[in-house]
Amino acid sequence: AQKITQTQPGMFVQEKEAVTLDCTYDTSDQSYGLFWYKQPSSGEMIFLIYQGSYDEQNATEGRYSLNFQKARKSANLVISASQLGDSAMYFCAMRRTGYSTLTFGKGTMLLVSP
Amino acid sequence: DAGVIQSPRHEVTEMGQEVTLRCKPISGHNSLFWYRQTMMRGLELLIYFNNNVPIDDSGMPEDRFSAKMPNASFSTLKIQPSEPRDSAVYFCASSYHTPGGGKGYQPQHFGDGTRLSIL
Repeated sequence: AQKITQTQPGMFVQEKEAVTLDCTYDTSDQSYGLFWYKQPSSGEMIFLIYQGSYDEQNATEGRYSLNFQKARKSANLVISASQLGDSAMYFCAMRRTGYSTLTFGKGTMLLVSP
Repeated sequence: DAGVIQSPRHEVTEMGQEVTLRCKPISGHNSLFWYRQTMMRGLELLIYFNNNVPIDDSGMPEDRFSAKMPNASFSTLKIQPSEPRDSAVYFCASSYHTPGGGKGYQPQHFGDGTRLSIL
């Protein structure tokens, strides 16, 4: 079975600083996809960034980047220059080859302070 | 482009009543997912459809829950009869699933959710 572990229930960061949100995964598959979603207090789930297991480069999307270490089975989200609007719950998720479904972690709550 | 559209946004009803949640996926997407989110259990996949056909409903809690997708642009999740423990946020998501998988994966795009309260 696939498993996503997010060990940080909560993280605090000051505005304009960078923050790393941890995600480790457990799978025996060779091919899979990793996703990060943001859920602000308003409740919607917003797709942020995707990393394929065969991608040679770490994914980047604006201020978001994914620190992908395949051998360690980790896919940490890095947010550079944090903004107050980044305060939200962040979920890491994985999708297996040939399957449509995602396995989600329990999430990390990020609070950005002025 | 319009995203996934869910209705209603909020629903408050009494125990025993029938509840119907609605979802319009993104045009062109061939996979649709229903999730439930609670503080205790996090995000749970209830059921998903591929090309309007239910593929995996193992997450549906019990017979009180049913889901349909009569066409590519509409799905419903029905709870009958509803119980207080069904109170949660229900999300619908859609994506494009490439047959055979491949090395690229399209993300699931979520609707804004329906906040359901059963009194």
